[in-house]
Amino acid sequence: GQNIDQPTEMTATEGAIVQINCTYQTSGFNGLFWYQQHAGEAPTFLSYNVLDGLEEKGRFSSFLSRSKGYSYLLLKELQMKDSASYLCAVSDSNYQLIWGAGTKLIIKP
Amino acid sequence: GAVVSQHPSRVICKSGTSVKIECRSLDFQATTMFWYRQFPKQSLMLMATSNEGSKATYEQGVEKDKFLINHASLTLSTLTVTSAHPEDSSFYICSARYGDRGDNEQFFGPGTRLTVL
Repeated sequence: GQNIDQPTEMTATEGAIVQINCTYQTSGFNGLFWYQQHAGEAPTFLSYNVLDGLEEKGRFSSFLSRSKGYSYLLLKELQMKDSASYLCAVSDSNYQLIWGAGTKLIIKP
Repeated sequence: GAVVSQHPSRVICKSGTSVKIECRSLDFQATTMFWYRQFPKQSLMLMATSNEGSKATYEQGVEKDKFLINHASLTLSTLTVTSAHPEDSSFYICSARYGDRGDNEQFFGPGTRLTVL
């Protein structure tokens, strides 16, 4: 079966760095997405990785290792507004997105 | 660019009534639209995928006669929840994608919160 695993909840301090991991087992791979979702709102796109390596975009970076079925989202200089759920999703062989359950990130002052 | 709107944002209805939710891509042509449902503290669950001009493809366990999807144009898809019941209360989110390749990002609407009394 297809499976996406990510931690249920993480806590970090304002100004710090946090890494949210995602491991996946899917039938085929056509890229991995990270989305941010604030409570009661729709997801918003953060990043897309299809090749191994690190993609940096401002305070957010995303890493992918296809051989390990592993990705992480790195958030630097955390701000209170970063408190949200972070969703990992993999595009499988049929280009269908398989979603993880999301990681709720709590930022403390 | 790539804005998707949804209407209404919130709806409360009585059990047994039908509710229609609209999803529009405002500044691009969406060849594919997706309908998701999300229960509290759970991840997105794909309900169906629709391509303009063709019948929607429903995920296993989703009743196509209950959740009617119409993708009449490249900018509009509608989801009708027929004979709604309290267990249908959920957050319904649509997304839209242009092009045929799955590596194209899905752009999400703001969601519709449905409460069935």
